[in-house]
Amino acid sequence: QSVLTQPPSVSAAPGQKVTISCSGSNSNIGIHYVSWYQQVPGTAPKLLIYDDNKRPSGIPDRFSGSKSGTSATLGITGLQTGDEADYYCGAWDSSLSAEVFGTGTKVTVL
Amino acid sequence: QVQLVQSGAEVKKPGASVKVSCKASGYTFTKYAMDWVRQAPGQSLEWMGRIHSDNDNTEYSQKFQGRVTITKDTSASTGYMELSGLRFEDTAVYFCVRTSPLEHWGQGTLVNVSS
Repeated sequence: QSVLTQPPSVSAAPGQKVTISCSGSNSNIGIHYVSWYQQVPGTAPKLLIYDDNKRPSGIPDRFSGSKSGTSATLGITGLQTGDEADYYCGAWDSSLSAEVFGTGTKVTVL
Repeated sequence: QVQLVQSGAEVKKPGASVKVSCKASGYTFTKYAMDWVRQAPGQSLEWMGRIHSDNDNTEYSQKFQGRVTITKDTSASTGYMELSGLRFEDTAVYFCVRTSPLEHWGQGTLVNVSS
């Protein structure tokens, strides 16, 4: 089972903003960088955010990441129909000596 | 551009082994580690292990310790993940990923464990 906890789903109308939370512990988010991934069903995950708040080349600034203590948040502004996907957070866990991922959040554009 | 191309889908019986390959191109293979991540149907992502860039050192998730072997052939710029003692619950899509961060992913290989 996943070590990091996310809400099962979030939704909003086109153009609006959504935030997705990722709750962890002092052995993962509390001391290691967080990454965020977008996955359209049937395809490979796509890296959106790394090192808590950095965006890889080609990722629009509508996507943002933040972290406080043992929780992290992904923000998506100007929501588009193309943003409908599953989103996962991830971080290294020192206790498990493994990369751990969140439970996943389905974003629906109303 | 960076590309990771994986081998094709596999159907295996319980107890068998499977070996998935991942051919890398578009970057210097020896400069980046390679992770393996799997995703069971309808489930989240699950990290299996890593092989480091500058040597053959590996790290494995405790869950798969003893059943998984990750290797690489530097001359062929190819990584491999072998999982033995397959169980029905090992049915999943297996991804290779260039790390870190986990930016470049292979297309995934479906391994179906069925009797």
